[in-house]
Amino acid sequence: GQQVMQIPQYQHVQEGEDFTTYCNSSTTLSNIQWYKQRPGGHPVFLIQLVKSGEVKKQKRLTFQFGEAKKNSSLHITATQTTDVGTYFCAVAYSGAGSYQLTFGKGTKLSVIP
Amino acid sequence: SQTIHQWPATLVQPVGSPLSLECTVEGTSNPNLYWYRQAAGRGLQLLFYSVGIGQISSEVPQNLSASRPQDRQFILSSKKLLLSDSGFYLCAWGQGFYGYTFGSGTRLTVV
Repeated sequence: GQQVMQIPQYQHVQEGEDFTTYCNSSTTLSNIQWYKQRPGGHPVFLIQLVKSGEVKKQKRLTFQFGEAKKNSSLHITATQTTDVGTYFCAVAYSGAGSYQLTFGKGTKLSVIP
Repeated sequence: SQTIHQWPATLVQPVGSPLSLECTVEGTSNPNLYWYRQAAGRGLQLLFYSVGIGQISSEVPQNLSASRPQDRQFILSSKKLLLSDSGFYLCAWGQGFYGYTFGSGTRLTVV
């Protein structure tokens, strides 16, 4: 499966500051998905991007897929304490009659109130 | 709507003991099912996936096995647990291109 590198590993921000996590690949990606995992919880699907240069917004969250489809970013505007958690990017690839997801190692976001 | 149930939520088991974690899905038929493991503070590692009853694919060699005795049931097992089997085990279903739905997970501590 395709591998993705996610940076930074950790990010501490003051409440109200912006936050960005990046997902990079050495190969062209067919798609990218983003998940959020709250502390002690399970990953929750946020969004999927498939088109070159695609930008999608969910309230204060902005997701981008690079023009070359080798990188993606998640940007949170004016962070709140409810944004705390680990954000994962993931790539879906097909094989043996099924699709599997390969996850990045995640960016753990801490928000200081 | 589709729901996924996973139990138990937490488990403490001695080294060498057996393991059985169960996952069931409701509201869909013939789902693709997945077992992931997450070590403390780490990413998610795919362990097994299944596209149908009795069909299991393993992604990594390990001390674990999986079975799918019914369409919407996926079981993760071990005959003898190792300390290194500790972690957060997550069951998921879905079609990869449309996002996965994860269960609430089982925190396994092997002592």
